[in-house]
This record gives sequence, structure tokens and C-alpha cells, in this order.
Amino acid sequence: KQEVTQIPAALSVPEGENLVLNCSFTDSAIYNLQWFRQDPGKGLTSLLLIQSSQREQTSGRLNASLDKSSGRSTLYIAASQPGDSATYLCAVTSYIPTFGRGTSLIVHP
Amino acid sequence: DGGITQSPKYLFRKEGQNVTLSCEQNLNHDAMYWYRQDPGQGLRLIYYSQIVNDFQKGDIAEGYSVSREKKESFPLTVTSAQKNPTAFYLCATGRQQATEAFFGQGTRLTVV
Repeated sequence: KQEVTQIPAALSVPEGENLVLNCSFTDSAIYNLQWFRQDPGKGLTSLLLIQSSQREQTSGRLNASLDKSSGRSTLYIAASQPGDSATYLCAVTSYIPTFGRGTSLIVHP
Repeated sequence: DGGITQSPKYLFRKEGQNVTLSCEQNLNHDAMYWYRQDPGQGLRLIYYSQIVNDFQKGDIAEGYSVSREKKESFPLTVTSAQKNPTAFYLCATGRQQATEAFFGQGTRLTVV
């Protein structure tokens, strides 16, 4: 059974820092990996989708990498802003999307 | 307007009652999923459906039921057998199995 772990569970940083959020998974036979953002009381917004054949995806200040063989993905956030404060969730799809518990990020001015 | 609509946004239920959460999509997606989210937890899969008139149990299906009579709709019923139903419920869709997932805005269910 696929298990997904996200580290750290929580992170508080000053504005402007570059951040790395980590996601690891136990079964490397995946179709894709998706990073989501969740604001309090809201649904999930898809940030980046990495297909199993890809190594990374970029969108603006966000860059996600995927290393299937080691079962790891990282989400890099450049020049963090207070508006980036949210919970970030990683989902790995082998058959259906399986989620980690998320990283709660606070960026303070 | 394309998307996934969950209703209601907030729902209150008395103990012993069944309640039904609605999920409607106009994205023409085949796959639909129901997840439950508790504070500090990730999303846990309740039920999923890859095609009309077919659905499968997820990891925590006990106390829940679903139907998939139309491609656009995947309602979730929380029955009185669900011992701790207070949670945030999220519906998701995908073009087909194992493709990119899209989420609705969720329904917060509270048992009073």
C-alpha cells in the first residue's frame, strides 16, 4: 500500500526566504505526483503535476522535482511571500491519489 | 462555468440521522472521488468511481454509501453507522483513472 510522508509538518519563515518542502513515498510505481495548496476551510488548488516520465515542473516561483527511484519529490518556493501562507499537500497516484499529511507554512512579513 | 460544485458548504446533523453531500461536475470527467479530512491529517479516501454505475470502497468506507447513476454526479451519504462523522469532506474528479485530480471547495459536516 502506498504511503506518503511530508516533512516538515510545519514551517514558519520570514518573507523573502527560499523554501524546500519534502515529500517521500514508498511505492515507486506511480503515474504522477501532484502538489496542492490548501487555504483554511477551502478545497485544494493544484499547483504542479509531474508525470512519472518527467523530472521536474516549474510555475512562476514554484519548482517541483521528482526522483521516482528514491521515492522523493521536493517543492521549491523561491522568494517566499506572506500570501504563500497555506498548507501544501503532496499526492502520489499509483492507482488513485494518495495524500501526505501536508506542510503548514507561515510566511511572516 | 466549468468545475466541481459541492453543496452545501456547511451541514449540521443530529446524531442518528443520515445526510447526503452533493458533488456535481461539468468537466466530463470519468473518475470521481470522495475524501475525508480531519485536523492535522491528510486526506483519506472514502469511495471512488471510475465509470457510471460502478464504484469501489476506499480505506474508510464504513458508515458511508455512494451512488453513480450519472457521469456528472457522485453523492455521498453519511449514515448513522458512521461513528465520528464530523469532518471536512472533499470531492475530486479526474479525466480518467490515475490522471490529474481536481477538487471542489468541500463540505464541512458537524454532528450536533
